[in-house]
Amino acid sequence: DAMVIQNPRYQVTQFGKPVTLSCSQTLNHNVMYWYQQKSSQAPKLLFHYYDKDFNNEADTPDNFQSRRPNTSFCFLDIRSPGLGDAAMYLCATSSNFQETQYFGPGTRLLVL
Amino acid sequence: GENVEQHPSTLSVQEGDSAVIKCTYSDSASNYFPWYKQELGKRPQLIIDIRSNVGEKKDQRIAVTLNKTAKHFSLHITETQPEDSAVYFCAATIQGGKLIFGQGTELSVKP
Repeated sequence: DAMVIQNPRYQVTQFGKPVTLSCSQTLNHNVMYWYQQKSSQAPKLLFHYYDKDFNNEADTPDNFQSRRPNTSFCFLDIRSPGLGDAAMYLCATSSNFQETQYFGPGTRLLVL
Repeated sequence: GENVEQHPSTLSVQEGDSAVIKCTYSDSASNYFPWYKQELGKRPQLIIDIRSNVGEKKDQRIAVTLNKTAKHFSLHITETQPEDSAVYFCAATIQGGKLIFGQGTELSVKP
């Protein structure tokens, strides 16, 4: 009965090698978010989609891109991962803004 | 810019005692305030939330209070148990509906 699913749970990539993380949801929520969380820190919003409308945070590096091909799926692409991109990446969904956000289990990214 | 300040950063209590975590926010338009609990290596999980038209909300051992005039809200956990040990994040919505998180409080409940 998982509602927000992320794959893979662990991802190891090499410095500079593109990587894609995926998120899917069974809640039919309009809004999907991608957060980056580093150890002992709060989740940091990278971008979000309201339906197909994309909103990038001002301080999100150009290295990070996102795609939402349909309501259920959203992808995070890191074009050229650096060592500083090693983190937990959390996907979340909500039915609308100002509503509860439900988080997926996260993908822990390791960059070698 | 908008921000949420959370205190304390670490909190250690004896089992059975109460724990209080406080947050202040800057955006007067904020109207939704969730609290998340995050255990090591796991996802943040919503434990309680409050909206701006309510001053207090309680769910068993957990309560949240909101003072909109002062722009602060607090989490209260009574009769703490070792399984309450985790990092707790407060958050507030800002214009556009996004959540801004506090810095987190690492709660340790000692048996």
